[in-house]
Amino acid sequence: ELKVEQNPLFLSMQEGKNYTIYCNYSTTSDRLYWYRQDPGKSLESLFVLLSNGAVKQEGRLMASLDTKARLSTLHITAAVHDLSATYFCAVDPRSGGGADGLTFGKGTHLIIQP
Amino acid sequence: ETGVTQTPRHLVMGMTNKKSLKCEQHLGHNAMYWYKQSAKKPLELMFVYNFKEQTENNSVPSRFSPECPNSSHLFLHLHTLQPEDSALYLCASSQGVWSGTYEQYFGPGTRLTVT
Repeated sequence: ELKVEQNPLFLSMQEGKNYTIYCNYSTTSDRLYWYRQDPGKSLESLFVLLSNGAVKQEGRLMASLDTKARLSTLHITAAVHDLSATYFCAVDPRSGGGADGLTFGKGTHLIIQP
Repeated sequence: ETGVTQTPRHLVMGMTNKKSLKCEQHLGHNAMYWYKQSAKKPLELMFVYNFKEQTENNSVPSRFSPECPNSSHLFLHLHTLQPEDSALYLCASSQGVWSGTYEQYFGPGTRLTVT
């Protein structure tokens, strides 16, 4: 059974600081996705990572994938309050012989304070 | 309408009621999904449909019954639910189960409360 673990699950940080969210997964996969969810809202796709060494950046967020280590990171640079949300990583297990559908981590609840 | 829409957005039902959730995607996709998001568990995949055919049933109790009449519409029929079924039910779509990126687009969700 595929397991996806995110840490930390809760993060409170100040504006202007840098931080990294980690996503580890337990089976072979070369497809990983990051989503953002605001309170009471649906999931918004942030990044699609499709190969080992993939790195993508959008504004103050940068995501990377290391398929050998089964690890993805979401790095926040100079955080601003608007980035407060819950961030989910999700893994597609099919490249490792798994079933259809994504397996999600528990999410990281990020609060950025002025 | 654009993207993925879901109705109703909020639903309160008793344990003996029968209700249905509706999802419609306007993206020309071929695969659709139901997920359950509850406070105590990670987002859980329930069902997957690809070109109207069900490809995954993730050990979901029979009180949840999906229906996919075409690639644009997906329903979740509910009957004799339990209070622990209260959750946010999210619908998603993607180009196809075997498409390149497999990126999924989510609807706004239906907040279900079972009393």
